[in-house]
Amino acid sequence: QVQLVESGGGVVQPGTSMRLSCAASGFIFSNYGMHWVRQAPGKGLEWVAAMSKDGINKYYADSVKGRFTISRDNSKNTLYLQMNTLRAEDTAVYYCAKAVGTMVGGVSVSSDVWGQGTTVTFSS
Amino acid sequence: QSALTQPPSASGSPGQSVTISCTGTSSDVGGYDFVSWYQQHPGKAPKLMIYEVYKRPSGVPDRFSGSKSGNTASLTVSGLQAEDEADYYCSSHAGAQFNVFGGGTKLTVL
Repeated sequence: QVQLVESGGGVVQPGTSMRLSCAASGFIFSNYGMHWVRQAPGKGLEWVAAMSKDGINKYYADSVKGRFTISRDNSKNTLYLQMNTLRAEDTAVYYCAKAVGTMVGGVSVSSDVWGQGTTVTFSS
Repeated sequence: QSALTQPPSASGSPGQSVTISCTGTSSDVGGYDFVSWYQQHPGKAPKLMIYEVYKRPSGVPDRFSGSKSGNTASLTVSGLQAEDEADYYCSSHAGAQFNVFGGGTKLTVL
């Protein structure tokens, strides 16, 4: 079945880095754009980043621009989120999601398949 | 990026209809037909219910419908059922900002 499995979350300290991974299966990964979306504890959803199927087009939320980098390895069916200079406000569950629908700038805006999420927590 | 505006809560009795609004600007909701709605039960990942304003993914009941007028999009749930109780989020393409979510609406089935 179509599945996304995130990994790489954990406890981090301010200013450090972390890389999240999202392993895709059950569909042709290289045919679809992908998104990262996060949710802080008890808060709503926040879109983080998106990438086109070929990795050429990348988009970021202002809150992470310059600190986070989205990438993908289509040979490994895996999406990544490199997070640098982490801040306390980056604490959240991070979801990867498969894009669906009409493309805008190379990436579909909506997401029809979501992973279970991986948690990034700050340690003071 | 400013979040889209949703009412924090909505409610209805089983069998009734409920409409949740999502208000943005001409730079997001009003400027593009790329509004999506997601349902999220506690502790679960979001589920796509509506995309591109009114389109329903396979498997989503036709009790769920979407529409848009000007800068406001709406999700209507008809024939409310207990399992519809969840948080609902709208999102929209936002031009150069690419994508933005609403703050979420907690739907309670009375």
